[in-house]
Amino acid sequence: RKEVEQDPGPFNVPEGATVAFNCTYSNSASQSFFWYRQDCRKEPKLLMSVYSSGNEDGRFTAQLNRASQYISLLIRDSKLSDSATYLCVVNSNYQLIWGAGTKLIIKP
Amino acid sequence: DTAVSQTPKYLVTQMGNDKSIKCEQNLGHDTMYWYKQDSKKFLKIMFSYNNKELIINETVPNRFSPKSPDKAHLNLHINSLELGDSAVYFCASSTGRSGNTIYFGEGSWLTVV
Repeated sequence: RKEVEQDPGPFNVPEGATVAFNCTYSNSASQSFFWYRQDCRKEPKLLMSVYSSGNEDGRFTAQLNRASQYISLLIRDSKLSDSATYLCVVNSNYQLIWGAGTKLIIKP
Repeated sequence: DTAVSQTPKYLVTQMGNDKSIKCEQNLGHDTMYWYKQDSKKFLKIMFSYNNKELIINETVPNRFSPKSPDKAHLNLHINSLELGDSAVYFCASSTGRSGNTIYFGEGSWLTVV
């Protein structure tokens, strides 16, 4: 089992819809969690950290489920500009482990 | 004002050549990284330096040699390039050794022919 796993997608979603995807991790002792966004042919950029109690940033909501060892990202009212690859990152034993990413395509 | 800058952005070279990619960050971070992203989009860490000290050295061929002259610079030298080295190489930096927010450079697209 990979340390961090994501559904590669692509998720094809109409503009304005709500979309959610998960990321599972194998190390139950993992300390911190992040979502990064990577646009085509660009570098990854931090989208948001994921806190134990869940957190929201505008249309984006991140949640952590330690019992089931996954984090999730929910995007409401999706925009064309949300099209990107979303990378899950887990801090495990003080090293960052990257998922392969979930590709999201928002269609008009 | 670029926070993490790396050069060159594009590099096409022949097998067997030696090439270097340079990286500089002006964020005052202590930790710098080299990541490789292959055609399948997997982002894998290669090396990490903290205050010029090598702290992460993943299973990478010894043809790859990082050099950190000071904590603001981390260069990557690659000897005897092979076709399989073709990838995007990202330099990055962060505060502290446990990652926190990582800031990436724009990437260096290496194509070995």
